[in-house]
Amino acid sequence: AQSVTQPDIHITVSEGASLELRCNYSYGATPYLFWYVQSPGQGLQLLLKYFSGDTLVQGIKGFEAEFKRSQSSFNLRKPSVHWSDAAEYFCAVESGGSNYKLTFGKGTLLTVNP
Amino acid sequence: KAGVTQTPRYLIKTRGQQVTLSCSPISGHRSVSWYQQTPGQGLQFLFEYFSETQRNKGNFPGRFSGRQFSNSRSEMNVSTLELGDSALYLCASSGTAGNTEAFFGQGTRLTVV
Repeated sequence: AQSVTQPDIHITVSEGASLELRCNYSYGATPYLFWYVQSPGQGLQLLLKYFSGDTLVQGIKGFEAEFKRSQSSFNLRKPSVHWSDAAEYFCAVESGGSNYKLTFGKGTLLTVNP
Repeated sequence: KAGVTQTPRYLIKTRGQQVTLSCSPISGHRSVSWYQQTPGQGLQFLFEYFSETQRNKGNFPGRFSGRQFSNSRSEMNVSTLELGDSALYLCASSGTAGNTEAFFGQGTRLTVV
């Protein structure tokens, strides 16, 4: 069964600092990986996705993520954080076909200090 | 293009009652999946429908059910509500049956008292 681990429950960074959120996955086949962001009381917004090809993927709002198969990781990065990036971030792996579902990590809450 | 629409946004129900939540996917999307989000368990998969057929189901009791209509709109029903069913219920739609990104609605916040 697939699983996703986000080791950091809560991260605090200063505005303008760089950010890296960690994600490790367990999946038997080639993974389809996603990062979503959720503001309080809202749904999930897709930041970026990895299906295949280039292991460095670019997303919205200046985010990027790197897929490393050898480490089973898909870490999210941003070079300079803005106060509006404060939210909860979820990493997910998709199982496709007739068993389609997304399996999510527990999330990382990002606080941005001014 | 309209996004995924979930109604209602908020619900308060009493233990033992039943509830029906609705989800209208993005136009042209045929796959609709449902997730329960709670502070303790996080985001958990409930079920997925594609072309009116339930193709996958998560580890939830039979009190949780759903269906999908020919226009791809989906409903989920929870019978005999328990306090532990209080959660944010999220619906997601995607264009095909997997291998594409899922777009989420704003969710329905269910409170059971």
